[in-house]
Amino acid sequence: AQSVAQPEDQVNVAEGNPLTVKCTYSVSGNPYLFWYVQYPNRGLQFLLKYITGDNLVKGSYGFEAEFNKSQTSFHLKKPSALVSDSALYFCAVRDDGSGGYQKVTFGTGTKLQVIP
Amino acid sequence: NAGVTQTPKFQVLKTGQSMTLQCAQDMNHEYMSWYRQDPGMGLRLIHYSVGAGITDQGEVPNGYNVSRSTTEDFPLRLLSAAPSQTSVYFCASNNREITEAFFGQGTRLTVV
Repeated sequence: AQSVAQPEDQVNVAEGNPLTVKCTYSVSGNPYLFWYVQYPNRGLQFLLKYITGDNLVKGSYGFEAEFNKSQTSFHLKKPSALVSDSALYFCAVRDDGSGGYQKVTFGTGTKLQVIP
Repeated sequence: NAGVTQTPKFQVLKTGQSMTLQCAQDMNHEYMSWYRQDPGMGLRLIHYSVGAGITDQGEVPNGYNVSRSTTEDFPLRLLSAAPSQTSVYFCASNNREITEAFFGQGTRLTVV
C-alpha cells in the first residue's frame, strides 16, 4: 500500500525567508509525486510534479521540489516566502503503474503561514 | 473553459435524507474521481471512473453511489445521509496523458 507523510501540521515562516514543507512517501513501484495548494474555500490547485528526470522540479509561483529517492522524500521549497503563499499544501503520490488509472494517495496537509 | 464545476457549493441535510452532488468537466478527461476532505485526514478517495459506464470503489465508498453515463458528468449520490458524512467533497478529473488532477471548488455538506 502506498502512503504519504507530512510531518508538520503547520509551518510558520517570515516573509522573505526561505520555506520548506516536508513530505515523505512509500510506494511499491516508481513514484509519481505531486504538490497541490489549497486556498481557503477553494479546490486544490496543482503546483508541480515529479515523474522522471531531474530531481529538482520547478513549478508555479516560484515553488520547487527536490526528489530524493534514497530518503523517499519530496520536500517543497521556495527561496523567498510571500504573505500570499499562506495556504494549505498537500503532497500526493501514486505508483507509475502500467498505464491507465492509478489511485492517488494524499498527505494530511501542511498549513503554511507566512508572517509579514 | 470552465474546468471542473461542482454544484451545490453548500448543502445542509437532515439525517436520512438523500441528495446528489453534481460534477461536470469540459476538458474531455477520461478519469473522474470523488474525494472527501476531513480535518487531519487529507483527501480520501470515495469512487472513481475511468470512462463512461465504468466506475469503481475507492477507499471510503460506503453510503455513496456513482454513475458515469457521459464523459462530462460524474454525480455522487448520498443514499441516506448520516452525520459522519459531514465533510467537504471534491470532484477531480484527469487522463493518462495529464497525470495531475484538476479539482472543482468543492461542496461543503453538513448533515444534522
